[in-house]
Amino acid sequence: EPEVTQTPSHQVTQMGQEVILRCVPISNHLYFYWYRQILGQKVEFLVSFYNNEISEKSEIFDDQFSVERPDGSNFTLKIRSTKLEDSAMYFCASSERQQGSLGTEAFFGQGTRLTVV
Amino acid sequence: GEDVEQSLFLSVREGDSSVINCTYTDSSSTYLYWYKQEPGAGLQLLTYIFSNMDMKQDQRLTVLLNKKDKHLSLRIADTQTGDSAIYFCAESREGYIPTFGRGTSLIVHP
Repeated sequence: EPEVTQTPSHQVTQMGQEVILRCVPISNHLYFYWYRQILGQKVEFLVSFYNNEISEKSEIFDDQFSVERPDGSNFTLKIRSTKLEDSAMYFCASSERQQGSLGTEAFFGQGTRLTVV
Repeated sequence: GEDVEQSLFLSVREGDSSVINCTYTDSSSTYLYWYKQEPGAGLQLLTYIFSNMDMKQDQRLTVLLNKKDKHLSLRIADTQTGDSAIYFCAESREGYIPTFGRGTSLIVHP
């Protein structure tokens, strides 16, 4: 069964460093997303990406964050100058159609746990 | 913004029924979802219900929606150890990105 894969599963980084979280969405999906979940808190939407551009972003997704689809398979989230409060589980997801449309299911990866020290 | 609330933990005995509850604030929600996350895996859509329905049943799963109170529940009959997971409630309007809760950890003990 096709699945969304994320690497690495756990990343530890020093405050102020840049990190890149990687995702391989399901191959025939057109919409890609990043979410995060700070420990004990809600799963928060960060950004959605369609047709090689950001289609929607939340207030969390400020200039510190960027996304890219560098080739036909990878979808990355870059966090510049990481802060302690960026420590969270980051989930990538993909879907055939836009989430919130009739019958559309988003498929999630297993997450990357980012720890900023 | 819209909000989805659910309790953090639920512990049940194997064979009993589990009921996971969720409340939401958006009176214009079109879809209400339940996602399941097993250890080491991503969130997986279990089921969803349209806001104009009040119940949906799928084998051991029953979803109940009280639109007036904005209350959604997921009942798992005959809960098994394999049902141990985190269950996320989410809601969305048509064409909007879903808003998720924090997840309820279901612990099933023998």
